[in-house]
Amino acid sequence: DTGVSQNPRHKITKRGQNVTFRCDPISEHNRLYWYRQTLGQGPEFLTYFQNEAQLEKSRLLSDRFSAERPKGSFSTLEIQRTEQGDSAMYLCASSLDLTGTQYFGPGTRLLVL
Amino acid sequence: AQRVTQPEKLLSVFKGAPVELKCNYSYSGSPELFWYVQYSRQRLQLLLRHISRESIKGFTADLNKGETSFHLKKPFAQEEDSAMYYCALSSYNTDKLIFGTGTRLQVFP
Repeated sequence: DTGVSQNPRHKITKRGQNVTFRCDPISEHNRLYWYRQTLGQGPEFLTYFQNEAQLEKSRLLSDRFSAERPKGSFSTLEIQRTEQGDSAMYLCASSLDLTGTQYFGPGTRLLVL
Repeated sequence: AQRVTQPEKLLSVFKGAPVELKCNYSYSGSPELFWYVQYSRQRLQLLLRHISRESIKGFTADLNKGETSFHLKKPFAQEEDSAMYYCALSSYNTDKLIFGTGTRLQVFP
């Protein structure tokens, strides 16, 4: 296990389609986070899990977005009915516990046409 | 509201010159402050955090609660320091990181 992995690395989709991204955290980490980064901005928090429980969601996470971490290991982020404004880099991070260092994955770059 | 401000989008210096990347924050409680770095074609990674009081790759940052600042400093910049630097904060009872918009550091030979 060399770090947080994310798949796919790139996704191009048409407006209105659904997309799903996957994040595999570092194996012993029980906390998993999703962030979104648009051009010229820093990452913005979307949501995070402790084990399988989703503990906080940003108001950025509209009802078209849903995240799961069913067994407390990998996580998926689904965007339904994509819009052009959803185009961004979606970052996943994991940490061992509260106040632990968050380790980031390489990100999934989404382009909605 | 919690906010991190990095006023410079781009900072260009020559090798060997001192570097200071500015970061100011607003937060009502006691935040923890971080500097993350992203080198070209690499993922975002932690450079340093204020509670560890470490010097990483020659960089230091001091938390100034009076000025609500956490500026990143290095006395002699190296070409390999060229990267995107993000300042971030989190509170002690929540995990989420709040990032600034980042400063691109360019170190010329």
